[in-house]
Amino acid sequence: DAKTTQPNSMESNEEEPVHLPCNHSTISGTDYIHWYRQLPSQGPEYVIHGLTSNVNNRMASLAIAEDRKSSTLILHRATLRDAAVYYCILRVNNDMRFGAGTRLTVKP
Amino acid sequence: GAGVSQSPRYKVAKRGQDVALRCDPISGHVSLFWYQQALGQGPEFLTYFQNEAQLDKSGLPSDRFFAERPEGSVSTLKIQRTQQEDSAVYLCASSLGSIRTRAHGYTFGSGTRLTVV
Repeated sequence: DAKTTQPNSMESNEEEPVHLPCNHSTISGTDYIHWYRQLPSQGPEYVIHGLTSNVNNRMASLAIAEDRKSSTLILHRATLRDAAVYYCILRVNNDMRFGAGTRLTVKP
Repeated sequence: GAGVSQSPRYKVAKRGQDVALRCDPISGHVSLFWYQQALGQGPEFLTYFQNEAQLDKSGLPSDRFFAERPEGSVSTLKIQRTQQEDSAVYLCASSLGSIRTRAHGYTFGSGTRLTVV
């Protein structure tokens, strides 16, 4: 199974950009890169996904390396409500396999 | 409803008791998934349905766990003779496409927190 590697935790100041890295060196050509986040006491929430090109939506941007072995989730202006665990996942087979994710702390 | 609904929100069971957890996916969503999330961990895959067919149950931890989706919409996860190690949050997710549609994201419910005492 394709796996991802993320830092256990990161900190950010409110109103500043946040770059959350993810390594996926064993990614195959057809694997989509998905990002989810999980706020306390809630189920994971879809953030963004991509295949090869960088992607933007109202929540975030996804920058994918040219060799696709890594990606970065970019929150342009972190708010206190962005404090959550962020999961980088490769969509393979029948399901998405979650790792431990990155716990993002946002300081006021 | 607009989202995935799970009930009950919380369940306390005595060890050895059987429990049933319900998931109402988004209407029209083909795929339905169950995950188990232990405290401080990421969700772990349990099983997958495409409409009423259970295509993958490789994540079910033992034969005490059973899931069904008889009419291709509502799903029930049943745990027989609950043990303390079954204590976790059980998450349900649905997706518009089938497993072949890797571009589609999942919509998760808020989960059922099961505590076995």
